[in-house]
Amino acid sequence: QQQVKQSPQSLIVQKGGISIINCAYENTAFDYFPWYQQFPGKGPALLIAIRPDVSEKKEGRFTISFNKSAKQFSLHIMDSQPGDSATYFCAAVRTRLTFGEGTQLTVNP
Amino acid sequence: DTEVTQTPKHLVMGMTNKKSLKCEQHMGHRAMYWYKQKAKKPPELMFVYSYEKLSINESVPSRFSPECPNSSLLNLHLHALQPEDSALYLCASSSRAVVYNEQFFGPGTRLTVL
Repeated sequence: QQQVKQSPQSLIVQKGGISIINCAYENTAFDYFPWYQQFPGKGPALLIAIRPDVSEKKEGRFTISFNKSAKQFSLHIMDSQPGDSATYFCAAVRTRLTFGEGTQLTVNP
Repeated sequence: DTEVTQTPKHLVMGMTNKKSLKCEQHMGHRAMYWYKQKAKKPPELMFVYSYEKLSINESVPSRFSPECPNSSLLNLHLHALQPEDSALYLCASSSRAVVYNEQFFGPGTRLTVL
């Protein structure tokens, strides 16, 4: 049972472009929505997170947009850089992390 | 120090071997976790320890045996594994387990079962 659906599975963006990854959830009990970034050979690391009472959160080039009524949230990476190439996981939390399936982002120079 | 360390980085074992994975954190966190991650998949929760007591076992086969000797250390004992158990095993820690707090992940142990 997939509780958090993530798309696209893979994404290729040119340097300087905008990367957009989308997630949708079903369980309205989720109360925290983090995004994790994972580089090859490394564990996931928290990138940015949002609570459902906020519609948008920005940290540097990374922005989460949250639509509570649609039960959707998305990650926008502005001015994407080759160093952003990684796998991104959205997640939803009640008492534990429920991950989306992941998006492999490639930023071409 | 916001680091979770895991040893070994790589492990190859036969199906009859017994081995252990080790995880350590010195952030004063009281919750520690084991996850299993297959290639191109998200991490899957295996076990949660809260204040050195096992609080969650996600129906993991008994060939995986966790141990939390103290608040800084977490072990995963492996015995009679199957080839399908080959995966990246991630350890994580957070300040508490009952209410969600940011989890810090280690780099993982890449396990290959022959």
